[in-house]
Amino acid sequence: EAGVAQSPRYKIIEKRQSVAFWCNPISGHATLYWYQQILGQGPKLLIQFQNNGVVDDSQLPKDRFSAERLKGVDSTLKIQPAKLEDSAVYLCASSSRGVSAGELFFGEGSRLTVL
Amino acid sequence: GENVEQHPSTLSVQEGDSAVIKCTYSDSASNYFPWYKQELGKRPQLIIDIRSNVGEKKDQRIAVTLNKTAKHFSLHITETQPEDSAVYFCAASNYGQNFVFGPGTRLSVLP
Repeated sequence: EAGVAQSPRYKIIEKRQSVAFWCNPISGHATLYWYQQILGQGPKLLIQFQNNGVVDDSQLPKDRFSAERLKGVDSTLKIQPAKLEDSAVYLCASSSRGVSAGELFFGEGSRLTVL
Repeated sequence: GENVEQHPSTLSVQEGDSAVIKCTYSDSASNYFPWYKQELGKRPQLIIDIRSNVGEKKDQRIAVTLNKTAKHFSLHITETQPEDSAVYFCAASNYGQNFVFGPGTRLSVLP
């Protein structure tokens, strides 16, 4: 079974530039999460999708971050404009059990460095 | 919203000894408590989980206990091995929502 795919793996940009990350979840997984993991910290939930609807985006900095999951499969996370404090690994995860709660399968992550 | 605390932040044990990591959560509605292991530069991977209708679960050298009344749960690793060295995260979730992670514990198993 293919895992969660993310790209790019690494991205270096200057502050005020924009960046987009892509995630392809495990086939059939209805729930998709984007997490931000700053070095030395635990993953922090940015947004959760159930199919193509947003379940929770309460911690998404909506003035600069946006995410979408068109057609309920792939998802993109965009940051515009980036700030220095956005330097982190952006982890995408998917789950098959939705609101019943089950294992999260994580992708390898996209490491963002903002200079 | 849910808040998960985790202690200790770092833990060093001698190979063969036991390691215990403790987490507390704030939302009494949380009903699913997984533990993830993250090796350096790798993705977090589930090692064990427990649901609120169970007090203890064991899988070989790893066990998790849950005290719903006190809102805390713990990870126990026995007979530690060098390959157990990693960062461990606890998490709490309410039916797949509010999936909140703790800050992590860096475990070092010394030969």
